[in-house]
Amino acid sequence: DQQVKQNSPSLSVQEGRISILNCDYTNSMFDYFLWYKKYPAEGPTFLISISSIKDKNEDGRFTVFLNKSAKHLSLHIVPSQPGDSAVYFCAGYYGQNFVFGPGTRLSVLP
Amino acid sequence: KAGVTQTPRYLIKTRGQQVTLSCSPISGHRSVSWYQQTPGQGLQFLFEYFSETQRNKGNFPGRFSGRQFSNSRSEMNVSTLELGDSALYLCASSVGIAGVEHTQYFGPGTRLTVL
Repeated sequence: DQQVKQNSPSLSVQEGRISILNCDYTNSMFDYFLWYKKYPAEGPTFLISISSIKDKNEDGRFTVFLNKSAKHLSLHIVPSQPGDSAVYFCAGYYGQNFVFGPGTRLSVLP
Repeated sequence: KAGVTQTPRYLIKTRGQQVTLSCSPISGHRSVSWYQQTPGQGLQFLFEYFSETQRNKGNFPGRFSGRQFSNSRSEMNVSTLELGDSALYLCASSVGIAGVEHTQYFGPGTRLTVL
């Protein structure tokens, strides 16, 4: 049973437009949610996180929204740039455990 | 500061063999975690070592084991390899026990192929 789901394996967006990556979870125990970005041949790098008591966290072009009642979070990238093309992993954190989703491949087209 | 390094980067083994992967954390980091990444499954947690002690373990069979040395370097061993063990194995280090207080920094991974 996947506790963290990213139902879109891939997403293509035009440069300059908004990218919205979605993540759903089933475990209500998660204290935090994190997003990581992964380029080919590199390890994932931490992007942004949000506490389960918040509904929004913003860092530059990246904003994460959390809807606890729907057990859903999303990562917004505005404006999208070609360098944002990567695989994005959503992860939930509780009890000193990270649970990752399968990832969404974002392609930003010039 | 040098990042997390993993050796080897690529490995081909046959079923039944065993393999040892190595991870050198960022200098000063005392925690090393290991993950298995397969298509469609994302990153699955294997175990975490902190100050030479395994403090957490994921839901993997006993064929998967690890250890950490006094210099914080870590090794992961997989015995009696199966085809399904083919994956990218990622190691991540953090200053303290991995959590939201201590960001995990990932290495580039070791790509293991089991034939």
